[in-house]
Amino acid sequence: ETGVTQSPTHLIKTRGQQVTLRCSSQSGHNTVSWYQQALGQGPQFIFQYYREEENGRGNFPPRFSGLQFPNYSSELNVNALELDDSALYLCASSLAGRETTGELFFGEGSRLTVL
Amino acid sequence: DAKTTQPNSMESNEEEPVHLPCNHSTISGTDYIHWYRQLPSQGPEYVIHGLTSNVNNRMASLAIAEDRKSSTLILHRATLRDAAVYYCILRPKGGSQGNLIFGKGTKLSVKP
Repeated sequence: ETGVTQSPTHLIKTRGQQVTLRCSSQSGHNTVSWYQQALGQGPQFIFQYYREEENGRGNFPPRFSGLQFPNYSSELNVNALELDDSALYLCASSLAGRETTGELFFGEGSRLTVL
Repeated sequence: DAKTTQPNSMESNEEEPVHLPCNHSTISGTDYIHWYRQLPSQGPEYVIHGLTSNVNNRMASLAIAEDRKSSTLILHRATLRDAAVYYCILRPKGGSQGNLIFGKGTKLSVKP
């Protein structure tokens, strides 16, 4: 079974630009969630997608948006980049319905630097 | 809010047991206790979870206090590969599948 893969692994943008990060879920998983991890902090939940619809969101502004595709892969889009958006962005997949486990499988992340 | 309290850092010697504590005094009756760890330059990795009874798996053991206001993750024989940040997380039963509230965790260092 393939794990969660993210691309790109590293990227550098400037303030005001837009960025798209991509994630391929673990095989068979139908739920994907995105996290932002600033240096020295724990990951912060951005949002979650299930069956191509957002069904949960953390405290992030609307310029953070996402998509989930029929093959359960996903994108995270961030518009009007700010310096504070510099962070590691993590994607996690899971299989909805496995309530007693609730295990999330994380990718290795995309490191975004905003200059 | 993370709703859990963990020490910022701990040290262990290789091949010795490690007990990582977590306080969660405001835990509700339907909250599961989950542990994840994050090795350097990697995403978090599921370790173990439990509700009321102690749990064991191939990675670790989870000891849960009788009043459930605290728990301890036990690594029976620490290896250098266990050096990571360990996160204790409360997860409501039936809660949003992907919404985990991480705190800062405990950074575990393992000395050879």
